[in-house]
Amino acid sequence: SAVISQKPSRDICQRGTSLTIQCQVDSQVTMMFWYRQQPGQSLTLIATANQGSEATYESGFVIDKFPISRPNLTFSTLTVSNMSPEDSSIYLCSVGSRGQPQHFGDGTRLSIL
Amino acid sequence: ILNVEQSPQSLHVQEGDSTNFTCSFPSSNFYALHWYRWETAKSPEALFVMTLNGDEKKKGRISATLNTKEGYSYLYIKGSQPEDSATYLCASGSGGGADGLTFGKGTHLIIQP
Repeated sequence: SAVISQKPSRDICQRGTSLTIQCQVDSQVTMMFWYRQQPGQSLTLIATANQGSEATYESGFVIDKFPISRPNLTFSTLTVSNMSPEDSSIYLCSVGSRGQPQHFGDGTRLSIL
Repeated sequence: ILNVEQSPQSLHVQEGDSTNFTCSFPSSNFYALHWYRWETAKSPEALFVMTLNGDEKKKGRISATLNTKEGYSYLYIKGSQPEDSATYLCASGSGGGADGLTFGKGTHLIIQP
């Protein structure tokens, strides 16, 4: 199974700033997924990142707010832009094929002051 | 819109007792039901992926069943141990070309010694 290194593990940021979260996978994968969990809510898919093409965003999420890079088959970044307190969440990256278990990073716990 | 519901939201169980909780999901466009166990400060760990109506899977003291016609899955834990304390997430994958998952809010299980 894939091993994912995600960083930072946690951060406290000022409102209006941006933070980039990185995920490194120990094997080549076609798709990487970015999720977030706001307090008391479910894990929600933000976008699917495919290498060589634009990320596909879910309803309610836009590229200007959550730009994603996927420069190769083992690495992706998610940027949370112009942060506000509502962006305080756990952010997770994952990999996995349809019908197979997803493998997750350890998550980034983000607090916005 | 896919909606995955889990109940109960939280559960306190005495060590040694058995317990179960429920996940309901829309049965249209269904292709897979996932169960994950998520401990604080760790990444979600895959327990089961089930795809066929009537599927039953077992991993040690934990087992799960799937009814795709009525749209529900049960997770059972036999002889609960303190290390079973975690949040248990279910997630449904739907058709239409998307590979990301829709998660429920989870059942937070606390095993009391």
